[in-house]
Amino acid sequence: GAGVSQSPSNKVTEKGKDVELRCDPISGHTALYWYRQSLGQGLEFLIYFQGNSAPDKSGLPSDRFSAERTGGSVSTLTIQRTQQEDSAVYLCASSLGPAGETQYFGPGTRLLVL
Amino acid sequence: AQSVTQPDIHITVSEGASLELRCNYSYGATPYLFWYVQSPGQGLQLLLKYFSGDTLVQGIKGFEAEFKRSQSSFNLRKPSVHWSDAAEYFCAVGALGGYNKLIFGAGTRLAVHP
Repeated sequence: GAGVSQSPSNKVTEKGKDVELRCDPISGHTALYWYRQSLGQGLEFLIYFQGNSAPDKSGLPSDRFSAERTGGSVSTLTIQRTQQEDSAVYLCASSLGPAGETQYFGPGTRLLVL
Repeated sequence: AQSVTQPDIHITVSEGASLELRCNYSYGATPYLFWYVQSPGQGLQLLLKYFSGDTLVQGIKGFEAEFKRSQSSFNLRKPSVHWSDAAEYFCAVGALGGYNKLIFGAGTRLAVHP
């Protein structure tokens, strides 16, 4: 079956603009995660959605970052007023749910803020 | 705070040689431990995981890892490396004894010489 898909694959934006990154999890997976992979910080957890529960937003680096998950499936990560330090690869993962300990990762969106 | 340390940033081995990638974690109780591999331009792929039970865990692609509580280590091994194993390898621990929020090490980049 299809894996986790993310779009766009690459995004170049100007400092101060807003960007939206999309994640389509594996069908039937109720848990969805966002991570950021950057040169300076490595792989960092950003946010976790599980079903209809309130998301765990403890990893979001600032209030410019937000994420939503519509209908328990597709998720969008939004970065407002982008800064150069936001340049990174944003990875999405999904798992079966609370008992789904294996996270399946998408290919990522490479964001470059000029 | 929980952390994962991968002491080796780069490792180069000859094809056919054995491999050991080191991983040390900090966590008081028995953690959930993972090894992921990331090939160029690819997302993260799970190699193996340890939750409990037998401390020697077998994974995909001929990899294995051993959990040693006394050393807080979870080293990854392969008896004979193939050129296709060249990639970046990440050790991760589930935050706070769970597995929904992964804390990653900085990664070890493996190069394989013919």
